[in-house]
Amino acid sequence: QSVLTQPPSMSAAPGQKVTISCSGSTSDIGDNYVSWYQHLPGTVPKLVIYDNDKRPSGIPDRFSGSKSGTSATLVITGLQTGDEADYYCGTWNSRLSAGVFGGGTKLTVL
Amino acid sequence: EVQLVESGGGFVQPGGSLRLSCAASGFTFTNYWMHWFRQAPGKGLVWVSRIKGDGSATNYADSVKGRFTISRDNTKNTLYLQMNSLRAEDSAVYYCARDLHIVATDYWGQGTLVTVSS
Repeated sequence: QSVLTQPPSMSAAPGQKVTISCSGSTSDIGDNYVSWYQHLPGTVPKLVIYDNDKRPSGIPDRFSGSKSGTSATLVITGLQTGDEADYYCGTWNSRLSAGVFGGGTKLTVL
Repeated sequence: EVQLVESGGGFVQPGGSLRLSCAASGFTFTNYWMHWFRQAPGKGLVWVSRIKGDGSATNYADSVKGRFTISRDNTKNTLYLQMNSLRAEDSAVYYCARDLHIVATDYWGQGTLVTVSS
């Protein structure tokens, strides 16, 4: 069972916006920066957001992140079929002294 | 060009051991924390362990603490994961990754498959 809670699946049409939530606790999200990964089948996970709201080089500004209290959110606007993937949130848990991740959200772009 | 290449995966019986390696190139290895992640078939991404650039600090997920040991040889630019007392639930693709910040990582290896089964 994952420490962080994400919706198992979400779907939206091309061009639309999707908001993926990630819920944690005061020991993890509430106390540390959050990252988001995109994982397409057959590839390695790809960082799309780090430090709550920063985009690595090469990630389009259609991807944005935010954090409030013990929850974090990944927003993808202008959805494309290539965005169809599993998305994971992760952070550090200060009490466990360990990295913790959500169970992943399978995004379908129909 | 940053490259991370894992090796050492394979098939092992429960209770057995394996040592994974991750050969790094294209960057100053000693300057970076390094991580191991894993993903079991059909399951989510899981953080396993991390080690500081000089090897002086390590952290582990509770699920592997006491059984797995992360280490590095900075003279060989290589990261290791010694896995002992393996269980069926340790079966997964194991990835090494270079730290960007906390659990944010910017480069990943291609992964190596570990299968624990009798």
